[in-house]
Amino acid sequence: DVKVTQSSRYLVKRTGEKVFLECVQDMDHENMFWYRQDPGLGLRLIYFSYDVKMKEKGDIPEGYSVSREKKERFSLILESASTNQTSMYLCASSLSQGYNEQFFGPGTRLTVL
Amino acid sequence: AQTVTQSQPEMSVQEAETVTLSCTYDTSESDYYLFWYKQPPSRQMILVIRQEAYKQQNATENRFSVNFQKAAKSFSLKISDSQLGDAAMYFCAYRREGEYGNKLVFGAGTILRVKS
Repeated sequence: DVKVTQSSRYLVKRTGEKVFLECVQDMDHENMFWYRQDPGLGLRLIYFSYDVKMKEKGDIPEGYSVSREKKERFSLILESASTNQTSMYLCASSLSQGYNEQFFGPGTRLTVL
Repeated sequence: AQTVTQSQPEMSVQEAETVTLSCTYDTSESDYYLFWYKQPPSRQMILVIRQEAYKQQNATENRFSVNFQKAAKSFSLKISDSQLGDAAMYFCAYRREGEYGNKLVFGAGTILRVKS
């Protein structure tokens, strides 16, 4: 079974802090994704990566950056956390461009005070 | 731009009965994929069913089936013989082609409550 794990289920940070959210997948997937989930808005894509050290902006990249130094790990970085970044963050991975199913991690609920 | 609309924020169904969740989408593409994902409370999101637009036959997975109306751009999910474990948030999603890969566009979600 594909397993996607995220470093924390719950995280509380203060405004202005630098925040790292980590995601690891164990099935050698090429594509990895970061979404945020907000009530009434569904999931919105922040960034995705199609290969090591490669990244592309999603629909809402402002205020975020990402890092993918190893194939299995994809990090989301909030350079200076703000209260409007309080949200549920979901990581996902998929095998390749032609493979449709995305496998999701359990999510990190981030609260920025 | 592709958009996905789920017009039902919440739905309820009695155990063992059938419920249909609605989804409409907007696209100018002729070939694409549509998905329904399930997110149980405090658990990971999982794929329920997928539909390829070029296939006329509606996809079916056990108690889950879709009603795909391509001309109307409608993609509803029918759950038969509802069970307590079906209670979850359900998301409809459209696969969007991109230069560097295929991305998903999600609807806002529908909360399904199952009554015993």
